[in-house]
Amino acid sequence: AQSVTQPDIHITVSEGASLELRCNYSYGATPYLFWYVQSPGQGLQLLLKYFSGDTLVQGIKGFEAEFKRSQSSFNLRKPSVHWSDAAEYFCAVEDYGGSQGNLIFGKGTKLSVKP
Amino acid sequence: ETGVTQSPTHLIKTRGQQVTLRCSSQSGHNTVSWYQQALGQGPQFIFQYYREEENGRGNFPPRFSGLQFPNYSSELNVNALELDDSALYLCASSLHLTGVTNEQFFGPGTRLTVL
Repeated sequence: AQSVTQPDIHITVSEGASLELRCNYSYGATPYLFWYVQSPGQGLQLLLKYFSGDTLVQGIKGFEAEFKRSQSSFNLRKPSVHWSDAAEYFCAVEDYGGSQGNLIFGKGTKLSVKP
Repeated sequence: ETGVTQSPTHLIKTRGQQVTLRCSSQSGHNTVSWYQQALGQGPQFIFQYYREEENGRGNFPPRFSGLQFPNYSSELNVNALELDDSALYLCASSLHLTGVTNEQFFGPGTRLTVL
């Protein structure tokens, strides 16, 4: 069965520092991969997605992610974190075994930003 | 363009009761998916509705049921509530096109507490 692992439950970075959030997936073929962000009391907002092609994907708010098939990873990066980036981040993969658009999420990484 | 809306925002029920949650999809979307997000977890797929029919279901018991209406809005019904049903329930809408994966747009969620 497909699965998504986010190894880091909570990460704290200083404002202006770089950020990398890890995501590993389990799937045999080329997956459709997503990163979502959730602020307190809010729904999920899509940051970026990977379907095929260029393995470095640009998203909104200055985020990017790199798909590495050899490592089954899809890590999220940002060169300089802003205080407003504090939120919870979820990596997800589309479940081909289910209905179209059925997403399997990781447990999330909570990002705190120090001033 | 109106986004995905959900009602109510918060709800408190007691064990054994029944609850109905509502979702209005984004304009132009024809598919609604429901997810359950327990505290500290990533969202879990409950089911998806397309053309007023269930179009895939996750690992949830039959007491979780749904409807989709001709205007593409949707309801999630949960019977015989259990304490473990306490969670944030997220609705996501998308445009279903055969063979194409489209972005899901999430609503803010309904926080259900079962006492």
